[in-house]
Amino acid sequence: DTEVTQTPKHLVMGMTNKKSLKCEQHMGHRAMYWYKQKAKKPPELMFVYSYEKLSINESVPSRFSPECPNSSLLNLHLHALQPEDSALYLCASSRGTGELFFGEGSRLTVL
Amino acid sequence: QKEVEQDPGPLSVPEGAIVSLNCTYSNSAFQYFMWYRQYSRKGPELLMYTYSSGNKEDGRFTAQVDKSSKYISLFIRDSQPSDSATYLCAPAYMEYGNKLVFGAGTILRVKS
Repeated sequence: DTEVTQTPKHLVMGMTNKKSLKCEQHMGHRAMYWYKQKAKKPPELMFVYSYEKLSINESVPSRFSPECPNSSLLNLHLHALQPEDSALYLCASSRGTGELFFGEGSRLTVL
Repeated sequence: QKEVEQDPGPLSVPEGAIVSLNCTYSNSAFQYFMWYRQYSRKGPELLMYTYSSGNKEDGRFTAQVDKSSKYISLFIRDSQPSDSATYLCAPAYMEYGNKLVFGAGTILRVKS
């Protein structure tokens, strides 16, 4: 089972809203990732959690706040976003080394 | 210079053709090499994974890595219309997690 599950699939929010994206995997992977993908562009790394600790933050604005409650779950809390933050947000997980497995993504629209 | 260079295409081929997709990279630290396929409005799907130089075959797909020339290839035999998608090369190295760098992605269209 190589499944990474992301919810919600679609989200529309205003610039003053607070919302969260959720990601879950049950493959026993100890690294989890958030990527952002704009149309016709490759995914861009935002955050990496390794053994439930934030290990990489690619200079992401503070209006994006990641959280890793346990080894199977990853959240991305969103607050005061801008329209240019509209994108596909992808979660991925991996073993210590090797392949990253991606979820289907959460498509975010900021009005 | 970008760490990973990939021609964005689009590449258009007839059904049954052999497709060659390529990337070059500049970072010698890359140890793992992945190819992802992404359909429109979907997440990337892992196609092939190789460690270090060499070839790997899986059905109609063959991945090649030449670390001496920093060149990565994916070959698709007997291409099908269902292969129409964006193909992303993604070399990676370990840095507090698996640091993966995507190429720009090549749009492939297989015409029936």
